[in-house]
Amino acid sequence: GESVGLHLPTLSVQEGDNSIINCAYSNSASDYFIWYKQESGKGPQFIIDIRSNMDKRQGQRVTVLLNKTVKHLSLQIAATQPGDSAVYFCAEIPGTYKYIFGTGTRLKVLA
Amino acid sequence: DAGVIQSPRHEVTEMGQEVTLRCKPISGHNSLFWYRQTMMRGLELLIYFNNNVPIDDSGMPEDRFSAKMPNASFSTLKIQPSEPRDSAVYFCASSLQQGTGELFFGEGSRLTVL
Repeated sequence: GESVGLHLPTLSVQEGDNSIINCAYSNSASDYFIWYKQESGKGPQFIIDIRSNMDKRQGQRVTVLLNKTVKHLSLQIAATQPGDSAVYFCAEIPGTYKYIFGTGTRLKVLA
Repeated sequence: DAGVIQSPRHEVTEMGQEVTLRCKPISGHNSLFWYRQTMMRGLELLIYFNNNVPIDDSGMPEDRFSAKMPNASFSTLKIQPSEPRDSAVYFCASSLQQGTGELFFGEGSRLTVL
């Protein structure tokens, strides 16, 4: 079946460095993508989204890049902080309510 | 707005008992989702409601699971009888628009079936 996968299950980054979390998606019909952050014991929280007619979108300290040619999505976090430690999910939305979530990447920020 | 509200946050029960999880979506949101999250399978869609009507329940594991949405501000997910393999975190989420917008999640209900 279709799925969203993550290359790195765990990413350790030094505080202050930039983080890059990657995601591969499989449905070429997906036209909307979201990154979620999930802290321990909490529900996923929206970070940033991007539509398929864009290649890049920037938020506060976060940037999402979309490469439709290779069906790849990445989340860049600038100047990573301890509060960024969490599990990050990408999700693809193929035009319906069937949001497809990856299994997540755990980001650990080292002091 | 208080966001999506779920209860209970934690539930420990014995195999065979009935479990009822509750959700209050964000006011004005017309789409409601129930997800189950496990380490092995990640987030799985159980059922989707639009305007209080179940649209897709194909993710409901088996007949032991049922969900209702009697009005726009309340939904329940019931497991009867519960089994140890049902242990997971169950999330309710709501959105303003079907398939085109941000999904807002509750804090989840952690279920442990002994």
